[in-house]
Amino acid sequence: GAVVSQHPSWVICKSGTSVKIECRSLDFQATTMFWYRQFPKQSLMLMATSNEGSKATYEQGVEKDKFLINHASLTLSTLTVTSAHPEDSSFYICSARWSEGIRGEQYFGPGTRLTVT
Amino acid sequence: AQKITQTQPGMFVQEKEAVTLDCTYDTSDPSYGLFWYKQPSSGEMIFLIYQGSYDQQNATEGRYSLNFQKARKSANLVISASQLGDSAMYFCAMRERSGYSTLTFGKGTMLLVSP
Repeated sequence: GAVVSQHPSWVICKSGTSVKIECRSLDFQATTMFWYRQFPKQSLMLMATSNEGSKATYEQGVEKDKFLINHASLTLSTLTVTSAHPEDSSFYICSARWSEGIRGEQYFGPGTRLTVT
Repeated sequence: AQKITQTQPGMFVQEKEAVTLDCTYDTSDPSYGLFWYKQPSSGEMIFLIYQGSYDQQNATEGRYSLNFQKARKSANLVISASQLGDSAMYFCAMRERSGYSTLTFGKGTMLLVSP
């Protein structure tokens, strides 16, 4: 299957600092990329959907000024957590797909574990 | 209302036995797709199987099969001949044609396979 990478795989930062997470589709061009957040023992919650070259669409309740998403190219999307606080500590997973439609498979990155101290 | 419901927080099965993980869904969209993903402790999401709403036959992929009962709006995952490596979190998800390509996930079922 297609490969999606994320970097870093884990990060620890101090409260008040910003953290950038990269998501890359390695062997395909992603028409759409998604960012999810997952708390321990819970499901994936969609944060935002982004298409290359356009602004991300954020889910209700997700602060767009806090979670900045940039879909710079068909193979790269970044999530920046600005002014991070301990409650932002979570597992962040990106996902990408190259085709639209119901069947279009969605490939997931390995996730980034963020800990804010 | 929840779109995807997984009522089993945890399931236990012995190695080599079959296990069924339940999933019910709610949609008024006639066109939708149902997915199952496996998430081991490493955190990666692994695609297992897909069933389209118009598919006439139940989907199968190796040891995985999907028991699709459209009228009941259920899409249960059946794992045959369980292996120790099957121990993981399993998520059922749905994509509706009207849902702008997004996947909606259930809360998941933790499966533990014992020797």
